[in-house]
Parts: sequence; C-alpha cells; structure tokens
Amino acid sequence: GQQLNQSPQSMFIQEGEDVSMNCTSSSIFNTWLWYKQDPGEGPVLLIALYKAGELTSNGRLTAQFGITRKDSFLNISASIPSDVGIYFCAGRGNNAGNMLTFGGGTRLMVKP
Amino acid sequence: GAVVSQHPSRVICKSGTSVKIECRSLDFQATTMFWYRQFPKQSLMLMATSNEGSKATYEQGVEKDKFLINHASLTLSTLTVTSAHPEDSSFYICSARAFSGREQFFGPGTRLTVL
Repeated sequence: GQQLNQSPQSMFIQEGEDVSMNCTSSSIFNTWLWYKQDPGEGPVLLIALYKAGELTSNGRLTAQFGITRKDSFLNISASIPSDVGIYFCAGRGNNAGNMLTFGGGTRLMVKP
Repeated sequence: GAVVSQHPSRVICKSGTSVKIECRSLDFQATTMFWYRQFPKQSLMLMATSNEGSKATYEQGVEKDKFLINHASLTLSTLTVTSAHPEDSSFYICSARAFSGREQFFGPGTRLTVL
C-alpha cells in the first residue's frame, strides 16, 4: 500500500525562526494536503496542492508539490507561539475510494 | 473552508454500552464521509469510508459489526461503537468531502473514554 514518510517527527525552535518539514511517498500522488492539529481538536486544512511543481502560500505558510509527485514540503516563516501543534501531510493517489494517506506528523514546539 | 461538526465532543461510558457519534457537514453536501481513529501521539488511522446511501467500506482489521456506520443523508453520518470496551477508548474524527471536491475537511473529533 501507499506509505508516507514525514520528517522531522518533532521540532523545538525559537520564536521567529523558520520551519521546514517534508513528506515523501513510495508512490505517485495527485493531491497533497497539509493540515495542522491542535491538542484535542480535529485537523484543520492549511494548504492544498493539485499540480506537480505547484507552490502555494497561505500567510506565513508555503507548501510545494514536488516535481516527481512523490514529495511535498511545508515551510513556516517567522514562527510564533501559536504555530505550536502537530502538522500532518496527506496525499491522495489513484487508489479506489480516493482515500487520503497520512504522514506520521511533525510536532512543532515554539519557545517564546 | 467548509465546516464539519461532530457531537458529542467527549463521552464517557461504561464497558458494554453503545455510543453513537454524529458527524455533520454544515455548509456543503458530503457525498463521502470518512471515520478515523487517533491514539495519543499517533497519526490518523482510517477506519471506514461511507458514501451516502450505500454501505460503508471498512479498512482491514476494523470490525464492521462493532463500528456501525450510517450515512443516511448528504449531511449526516453516524458511527456507533457497540458494546464498547476500554480498548475502544480513543479520539474519533470524522471527515467529509463533497462530490466534486478534492479537499477533505475534518470535524473537531470525539474523545471516547470507556470505563
């Protein structure tokens, strides 16, 4: 089945620093989605990517759909304390049911 | 983004009882709804996919007779955990997608604790 490797698993950074996380897949995806999950809440969609090479921004967040269609990254610039949470990548390929495959998550901690 | 609600947000029940969780898409019609389970510090694990008006498709290892899913309308899906046991304690999250949608939106989750 499809597998998604997300790294790093966790990051502890200083407020104001930039953050980068990425996901790689064992197979080709047609869609990449990036979510943020706060404790005790459901994931919230941050950025959606639909084309290889696509680069999309949402405020301080920027994500790219890799050219090979097997990877994606998410960057957060000038991190602030409210960026704390778990970030998940999710990809969708040509599987039956068009189900999302989730990465393991990146736990971000920001030190004020 | 689209709004998906879940009710209840948390529930505590005794072992052996059944618990029903509702998932609603508030501002769009969700032809497909998904139910996930999440253990502490882990990623989301898909339990089942349901399309409106048809039987749910369960992932391998998920007991369909234990986790009953009903998707009777385009805005409502329910998950019933039957004869719950402590090992069923988890965070259950629903997700919804419109027919033409490529995006998938999540509910706020339901924390189930079985005593």
